[in-house]
Amino acid sequence: EIVMTQSPATLSVSPGERATLSCRASQTVSINLAWYQQKPGQAPRLLIYGASTRANGIPVRFSGSGSGTEFTLSISNLQSEDLAVYYCQQYNNWPPITFGQGTRLEIK
Amino acid sequence: QVQLQESGPGLVKPSETLSLTCTVSGGSISGHYWSWIRQPPGKGLEWIGYIHYSGYSNYTPSLKTRVTMSVDTSKNQFSLRLSSVTAADTAVFYCARGMNLGPRIFDYWGQGTLVTVSS
Repeated sequence: EIVMTQSPATLSVSPGERATLSCRASQTVSINLAWYQQKPGQAPRLLIYGASTRANGIPVRFSGSGSGTEFTLSISNLQSEDLAVYYCQQYNNWPPITFGQGTRLEIK
Repeated sequence: QVQLQESGPGLVKPSETLSLTCTVSGGSISGHYWSWIRQPPGKGLEWIGYIHYSGYSNYTPSLKTRVTMSVDTSKNQFSLRLSSVTAADTAVFYCARGMNLGPRIFDYWGQGTLVTVSS
């Protein structure tokens, strides 16, 4: 099973600034990585797949990068509505499909 | 716009079987893979398994002996059964659609339903 590790556990960023979230895989997943946003009380929403492709309707403020075992989700010009937990997910080696434990993004 | 809606009992007794159904509207269940994902209160996401509209299924190894999924294309529904439940199975259960580009990328999700295992 591929273990996904996200850092930091919690990130506090001021509005208008950039947030950088990291995800590391225990073995290579190529670019078969997705990012999801989960706002309080809601279901997750797909942000990024293929490590860097934005899903339909996702603002350009959200960008993904990386390959192999190291990945990054960047959120520029942070807005108050970006308050959420962000999860990475690998779909290269399965079963099982595995998620990271999440990064909680707080707005200062 | 595709919508998914989970339904089923919110309370299940220990050792019994949890049963949930996901109804798909705004699109056909055909041509896609459909997953169940759960989230214990305050914790992260765990993929349970998926089923194809043809009936082919694949489950996460840790739950494989207790999970059964099925699909009813005539009703545009798919279902989850999880047997011999314990308190550790208490979670919000989500159904989700796999993208055409990659069946293990989840582009539409239900709102989730909380299932509590307790006597």
